[in-house]
Amino acid sequence: SQTIHQWPATLVQPVGSPLSLECTVEGTSNPNLYWYRQAAGRGLQLLFYSVGIGQISSEVPQNLSASRPQDRQFILSSKKLLLSDSGFYLCAWSPGQGWPSYEQYFGPGTRLTVT
Amino acid sequence: QQQVKQSPQSLIVQKGGISIINCAYENTAFDYFPWYQQFPGKGPALLIAIRPDVSEKKEGRFTISFNKSAKQFSLHIMDSQPGDSATYFCAARFPYGTASKLTFGTGTRLQVTL
Repeated sequence: SQTIHQWPATLVQPVGSPLSLECTVEGTSNPNLYWYRQAAGRGLQLLFYSVGIGQISSEVPQNLSASRPQDRQFILSSKKLLLSDSGFYLCAWSPGQGWPSYEQYFGPGTRLTVT
Repeated sequence: QQQVKQSPQSLIVQKGGISIINCAYENTAFDYFPWYQQFPGKGPALLIAIRPDVSEKKEGRFTISFNKSAKQFSLHIMDSQPGDSATYFCAARFPYGTASKLTFGTGTRLQVTL
């Protein structure tokens, strides 16, 4: 069965510091990968998605970036955090080929607080 | 046109009652409509989903009703239980290659009381 991991689970960082959040998926190959941000009491906003190694699509202009160095690894980064970057960051995956390619599964999330 | 509007924002239902959450969309290109359940501090879990060529889908106590002409869909939770207390999100998929780009509603916080 497939498993998705995110770390760290919680993070408190000062404004202006760098950020690196990691997501890995087990039990599947060639997944599509996604990063979402969820503000307190709000819905989920798609930030980035990737259909393959090195292929990143950005949905929202911001000071965040994403990378996919390996097939099942997805990294969210920032060079300098802003207060507005605080939130709950969720990684998700969906099958890259075949049916069902629509279903999307989320990881446990990382709670980021920028102080 | 990419928005999905969800209502109500919060809902209180007695144990054994029916919980109903509604969503509406504008973009007729959406081709897949999932519902997610999220407990505090956890990632959303896929609950049930429907394609627009089907008017209803039922899985256990959870049913999606889909009205293509009205561009609306709803989640019904029958015999609601305290363990169903969570935040529920509807979503819609915009077809873009193989990626599953989902637009989410703003969520409904459900509380099931004894």
